[in-house]
Amino acid sequence: DTAVSQTPKYLVTQMGNDKSIKCEQNLGHDTMYWYKQDSKKFLKIMFSYNNKELIINETVPNRFSPKSPDKAHLNLHINSLELGDSAVYFCASSQAQDAFFGQGTRLTVV
Amino acid sequence: GENVEQHPSTLSVQEGDSAVIKCTYSDSASNYFPWYKQELGKRPQLIIDIRSNVGEKKDQRIAVTLNKTAKHFSLHITETQPEDSAVYFCAASGPYGQNFVFGPGTRFSVL
Repeated sequence: DTAVSQTPKYLVTQMGNDKSIKCEQNLGHDTMYWYKQDSKKFLKIMFSYNNKELIINETVPNRFSPKSPDKAHLNLHINSLELGDSAVYFCASSQAQDAFFGQGTRLTVV
Repeated sequence: GENVEQHPSTLSVQEGDSAVIKCTYSDSASNYFPWYKQELGKRPQLIIDIRSNVGEKKDQRIAVTLNKTAKHFSLHITETQPEDSAVYFCAASGPYGQNFVFGPGTRFSVL
């Protein structure tokens, strides 16, 4: 009964490719997030999505786009992948405040 | 937007000692301050949190204090054990979960 699940767990791809990471939560939470964790372990918020309101971190390149088919899903699509996109990407969800994280997707761009 | 700073970036203590990690935040509208522990290769997990109407909260060996006037909050760990070793993140959030921003993390080691 995983609360927040994301797939795939590992993703290795070449520069220039387009890829997606999927996230699903079964907690009934209203808000979902995407975070990027780099090699220095910094957790940087990329997007938050609440009731169809998308808040974007202005530092996120527009090659990254979140897509939410419904309240339980927030997928991350990345176009034209670059070497610097290599990181662990975490999905999270919250209801009012506590955030629950998925297990992470380790993206490696070669 | 919210900005959260965290100190120290690394911290090592001897087993049994106490430890303190401090955070400051910038947005006075933030009213929820959780702490997360991330073990190597795993996801961040909530260990304790505090809301703005409370000054201190304790759960066994860990406690969190909040000074809303000064916009800072701290994590206190007593009787540290090797399994406490991890990266610890503080965070600040608004009343509806918006702006859920994390500090840069503290690499904590119990020797």
